[in-house]
Amino acid sequence: AQKITQTQPGMFVQEKEAVTLDCTYDTSDQSYGLFWYKQPSSGEMIFLIYQGSYDEQNATEGRYSLNFQKARKSANLVISASQLGDSAMYFCAMSLSGGYQKVTFGTGTKLQVIP
Amino acid sequence: DAMVIQNPRYQVTQFGKPVTLSCSQTLNHNVMYWYQQKSSQAPKLLFHYYDKDFNNEADTPDNFQSRRPNTSFCFLDIRSPGLGDAAMYLCATSRDFGTSSQTQYFGPGTRLLVL
Repeated sequence: AQKITQTQPGMFVQEKEAVTLDCTYDTSDQSYGLFWYKQPSSGEMIFLIYQGSYDEQNATEGRYSLNFQKARKSANLVISASQLGDSAMYFCAMSLSGGYQKVTFGTGTKLQVIP
Repeated sequence: DAMVIQNPRYQVTQFGKPVTLSCSQTLNHNVMYWYQQKSSQAPKLLFHYYDKDFNNEADTPDNFQSRRPNTSFCFLDIRSPGLGDAAMYLCATSRDFGTSSQTQYFGPGTRLLVL
C-alpha cells in the first residue's frame, strides 16, 4: 500500500520569499502520479501541480514547482515569491496506475504568509 | 468555465433527520467522488462512481448512500445523521483512473452541521 508523509504540520514564510513544503512517499510501484492541492479556509481543494513518476523534468505551474527526487522518494512543493493569498493548508497526494487506485493524501501542512 | 458545483454550501440538519447533498459537474468527467473531511484532517474517501458503476469504500458507514442519475449529477444521502457526521463534504471529479487522468477537481464543499 502507498503512503504519503508530510512532516511539517505548520510553517510560516515572509511575504515575497520562497518556501518549500516537504512530501515523501512510499510505494513499490514504478508508475505513479504525485499531486499537490491547496485548501484555503473556505474549504475548496484546489489542484496545483502534477508530477508523473516517469517525467524527467520537474513540473512547474506559475509560482509553483515540484522538486521531484525519485531516488529519495520526495516530491516537495516550492512556492516562489509568497503572497498573502498563499496562506492555506497544502496536501500532497499520490495515485497509482493500472485501473482504479484510491488517491492517498498526506496529513497536510498549514502555511501562513506573514506580511 | 468548466467546474464542479456543490449545493448547498452550508447545511444544518437535526440529529436523525435525513439530508441530501448535491454535486454537479460540467467537466464531463467519468469519475465522481465523495469525500468527508473533518477539521485539520485529510479528506476521507466515502465512495466513487465510474460512470454508473458504484464503488463503496469498505469503512464507509451504511448511513451514507449515493446516487448518480446521470453523468453530470451525483448526490450524497445521509439517512440518519449523527453528531459525528458533522464535517465538510467534498465532491470531486476526474477524467478517468490512472495517474495524470486521476487528477481530481473539487467543488467548494458543503459544510454540514448536525444539531
